[in-house]
Amino acid sequence: DIQMTQSPSSVSASVGDRVTITCRANQGIANWLAWYQQKPGKAPKLLIYGASTLQSGVPSRFSGNGSRTDFTLTISSLQPEDFATYYCRQADSIPFTFGPGTRVNIK
Amino acid sequence: QVQLQESGPGLVEPSETLSLTCRLSGGSLNNYYWSWIRQSPGKGLEWIGYIHYIGTTKYNPSLKSRVTMSVDTSRNQFSLQLNSVTAADTAVYYCVRGGDYGDWFDPWGQGTLVTVSS
Repeated sequence: DIQMTQSPSSVSASVGDRVTITCRANQGIANWLAWYQQKPGKAPKLLIYGASTLQSGVPSRFSGNGSRTDFTLTISSLQPEDFATYYCRQADSIPFTFGPGTRVNIK
Repeated sequence: QVQLQESGPGLVEPSETLSLTCRLSGGSLNNYYWSWIRQSPGKGLEWIGYIHYIGTTKYNPSLKSRVTMSVDTSRNQFSLQLNSVTAADTAVYYCVRGGDYGDWFDPWGQGTLVTVSS
């Protein structure tokens, strides 16, 4: 199985801050990487797939970058509704695997 | 707009079979891959497997011996069976729609908590 790691595990930030989350795969996955946002008690929501393609309806302040083993999710200007947990997920090979998550907290 | 809704028992006894159904509204099962994903505090998000609308399946090797998925296009629903459950199978189970290459999962059902306990 491909192992996914994320850093940091949590980050405290203020509204308007730029936040970057890193996701790393233990082997190359080209650009087969997606990002999801999850709020408490809710299902995850797709933000980005193909490492950098923004899902329809997702605000442009979210962006994804990277390839092979190293990826980033950036929120350019954090909004109140962005406080949540973010997960990366590799789609290169079965079984699809998720990162452990990064919680974005209010500072 | 496509919506998914999981249904099934919220409590299953150890060694029994967990059975869940996901009903699709606002769309068709055709041309997509339909996955089950679970989330537990101890193991995070875990992909269980997918079924294509024509019936092709792929399962997570860690669960493969205990998992069966099926699809019923006439009822616009698909199902999950997980045999010989233990407390480790306690989780929120989600059904989701996926793209051809598994590159995206969207939308997700709201999730249903299944507790394994006697």
